[in-house]
Amino acid sequence: DQQVKQNSPSLSVQEGRISILNCDYTNSMFDYFLWYKKYPAEGPTFLISISSIKDKNEDGRFTVFLNKSAKHLSLHIVPSQPGDSAVYFCAARGNYNTDKLIFGTGTRLQVFP
Amino acid sequence: GAVVSQHPSRVICKSGTSVKIECRSLDFQATTMFWYRQFPKQSLMLMATSNEGSKATYEQGVEKDKFLINHASLTLSTLTVTSAHPEDSSFYICSAPTLYGYTFGSGTRLTVV
Repeated sequence: DQQVKQNSPSLSVQEGRISILNCDYTNSMFDYFLWYKKYPAEGPTFLISISSIKDKNEDGRFTVFLNKSAKHLSLHIVPSQPGDSAVYFCAARGNYNTDKLIFGTGTRLQVFP
Repeated sequence: GAVVSQHPSRVICKSGTSVKIECRSLDFQATTMFWYRQFPKQSLMLMATSNEGSKATYEQGVEKDKFLINHASLTLSTLTVTSAHPEDSSFYICSAPTLYGYTFGSGTRLTVV
């Protein structure tokens, strides 16, 4: 039962343009969402997060949007850079007084010159 | 701050042997440690949650007797893969919630031959 899904396994974007990575979830009790960047055989690197009481959070080139009614969040990267090429995971904080994170399936982003 | 040191980074073991993976919190006290497993090109799947001084909580489908978790101190959590088999080959990573968010270990690539 995959509670957090990223339906696009891969995305290819030209340098300088916007990258939009999407994430859907099924559990309406999730209260906090995070985006991570990951390289093979390394731990995830935190990018940006958003609380369920907000609908947008921005940090530099990264903006996360949350649509609670649709149970959907997205990460926008503008402008995209070749160094952004990696696998991106969204994660949701579990409910029932737990801090555990449930990760999405991941999207491989490739930014080409 | 809030660094988790994970060792070893890579390990190759023979089928039937046991392997211990350690995660140490270097500059904070980790009362909780999450253990994840990632198969190639797949998501990080939560295996279990360890809490200092108490028994770990395992996710559905994870064998408690195979994946032994010990969290005997506030700075050390260990995962022991017992009687390892080739299908246990995977990337294992720990994570601890902190005041600043979640900090991840650098991961352990386990290969069982």
